[in-house]
Amino acid sequence: NAGVMQNPRHLVRRRGQEARLRCSPMKGHSHVYWYRQLPEEGLKFMVYLQKENIIDESGMPKERFSAEFPKEGPSILRIQQVVRGDSAAYFCASSPSGHSAGNEQFFGPGTRLTVL
Amino acid sequence: AQSVTQPDIHITVSEGASLELRCNYSYGATPYLFWYVQSPGQGLQLLLKYFSGDTLVQGIKGFEAEFKRSQSSFNLRKPSVHWSDAAEYFCAVGNNAGNMLTFGGGTRLMVKP
Repeated sequence: NAGVMQNPRHLVRRRGQEARLRCSPMKGHSHVYWYRQLPEEGLKFMVYLQKENIIDESGMPKERFSAEFPKEGPSILRIQQVVRGDSAAYFCASSPSGHSAGNEQFFGPGTRLTVL
Repeated sequence: AQSVTQPDIHITVSEGASLELRCNYSYGATPYLFWYVQSPGQGLQLLLKYFSGDTLVQGIKGFEAEFKRSQSSFNLRKPSVHWSDAAEYFCAVGNNAGNMLTFGGGTRLMVKP
């Protein structure tokens, strides 16, 4: 059973370009979470999604960032018009059910975004 | 709002020595607590978790943690550290809705030969 998969592992963009980060949850998991880790910091929650629904986006910046988890295919975190401050590691996690309190989240290897 | 504090940013111990990493949390209800380890350039691996019951929790790689409600703490321990334990360790608290984890800032562990 493959774990959470993220691609690309490394992404370089110039300021003003778009970044698309993909996450395939573990088989049987229908809940996806995105976190951002800035250099020398802990992980900060961004958004929680189920298939075709955004459940909680309280950690998402108000502009330029969006996320989706379509019925088919991976979850996508999209950053438009990237700026240098977006440089970070972006981690995706999945769980079988978000409503069962305390469910373990399984993390992917992350995508390291560098904005030049 | 929930929060997690890891007071020690860096810790260095000698191989074979015991280890304790501190974690303090703030949460209004019974917390769901986790310790994760992150090796350089890698994702996070779960070491152990506490939901309820016995306050001393055993995890993988010889780690254990003790939940102390009176001190709002969930410290991670290992009796004898191995060089391969050098990594960054994150404490996290989950909310009742199960929709997010709040992480501490992490403690970077270095192991001296």
